[in-house]
Amino acid sequence: SAVISQKPSRDICQRGTSLTIQCQVDSQVTMMFWYRQQPGQSLTLIATANQGSEATYESGFVIDKFPISRPNLTFSTLTVSNMSPEDSSIYLCSVDPQGGGNSPLHFGNGTRLTVT
Amino acid sequence: AQTVTQSQPEMSVQEAETVTLSCTYDTSESDYYLFWYKQPPSRQMILVIRQEAYKQQNATENRFSVNFQKAAKSFSLKISDSQLGDAAMYFCAYRSANPQGGGSNYKLTFGKGTLLTVNP
Repeated sequence: SAVISQKPSRDICQRGTSLTIQCQVDSQVTMMFWYRQQPGQSLTLIATANQGSEATYESGFVIDKFPISRPNLTFSTLTVSNMSPEDSSIYLCSVDPQGGGNSPLHFGNGTRLTVT
Repeated sequence: AQTVTQSQPEMSVQEAETVTLSCTYDTSESDYYLFWYKQPPSRQMILVIRQEAYKQQNATENRFSVNFQKAAKSFSLKISDSQLGDAAMYFCAYRSANPQGGGSNYKLTFGKGTLLTVNP
């Protein structure tokens, strides 16, 4: 199984600022995903981070608001830009170590973001 | 698009008793995978159990088992001999086996979750 290190674990930010969240995996993985979990809610996929190309965003999420980098097969960042209180959520990085199918996604511990 | 429904926002169980969490899903696909994840207050998403749709036999993992009814599109989780450490939010999730276009279509689609309380 993959070990995922996500930083920071939590942060409190002022509205209008940006925060970059890092996700480091201890092995090379093809698929990396970024999820958002709003308070008391389920997980919603923001985007798939593709190595060497632009991320693929889900409906309702745009690159200007959530730019993603994926410079190699072990690392990705998600930036939450121009934050507002509505962005207060847990953001989770997840990976698929085996590449699709019945292999479960592995998750980082998440970043709890509070925007004031 | 696939949807996953968990109709029980909260459930409670006495320690050592058995509890069943419900999950239904909607899909037009014939080949897919289903998962139950557990999220304790630590926020860590932990895989509890998985089921391949092509398998008729229900998956089991120690005290955890599923009742998979493909025709009914139902995937319930049974926890036997409940322990205090089982208290958590439980999410049912769906994943395509052969998604069109690959990439993000390998994503997990989650239900809204069921908060399980275990009473001593």
